[in-house]
Amino acid sequence: DGGITQSPKYLFRKEGQNVTLSCEQNLNHDAMYWYRQDPGQGLRLIYYSQIVNDFQKGDIAEGYSVSREKKESFPLTVTSAQKNPTAFYLCASSQGARDEAFFGQGTRLTVV
Amino acid sequence: SQELEQSPQSLIVQEGKNLTINCTSSKTLYGLYWYKQKYGEGLIFLMMLQKGGEEKSHEKITAKLDEKKQQSSLHITASQPSHAGIYLCGADLPPGGGADGLTFGKGTHLIIQP
Repeated sequence: DGGITQSPKYLFRKEGQNVTLSCEQNLNHDAMYWYRQDPGQGLRLIYYSQIVNDFQKGDIAEGYSVSREKKESFPLTVTSAQKNPTAFYLCASSQGARDEAFFGQGTRLTVV
Repeated sequence: SQELEQSPQSLIVQEGKNLTINCTSSKTLYGLYWYKQKYGEGLIFLMMLQKGGEEKSHEKITAKLDEKKQQSSLHITASQPSHAGIYLCGADLPPGGGADGLTFGKGTHLIIQP
């Protein structure tokens, strides 16, 4: 079945540590996105990539990094520079800019 | 200021009743997308509207986009417990037009009372 997979579903991190969230899609989509969701905030864009080996900062990129070495993969690293990393992270992909985005099941990151 | 406003923020409806959720933009939209989310899960795509005056329906859910392409409504007829969740509108807004990701509203929490 085609889809977009995020792992892990739950992640705990100690302060000062970097952590990488996985996002894989087998939909052959060109565009991939990372969003952060906080209570009462809606979704906010962290990074996006329209094509392999290219990515752009979104509205809240500080403290995050990404890579797009393969079309199907778009991992997100939450660095120690991110001041409030505890949140629900959602990855999405779409065929093109004006097409509907399909979302993964999310990763809940908690800093302990 | 929020570029995409959703209302109401939360809604409690008795099972079988109709309801409407609104999404308003200060800018003309390129496209408007409705999603549903169960708490702690990913977003499920419902409908996409791109033309002014467009209306789409799926089962008991109807979404409309106004002629000016600045406001959309989501209407649920004869609500059921399965309709409960968070409804989010997302939009392709200028200048990126979607190439730089969707802008989302804060969501509407829908509770269906038996």
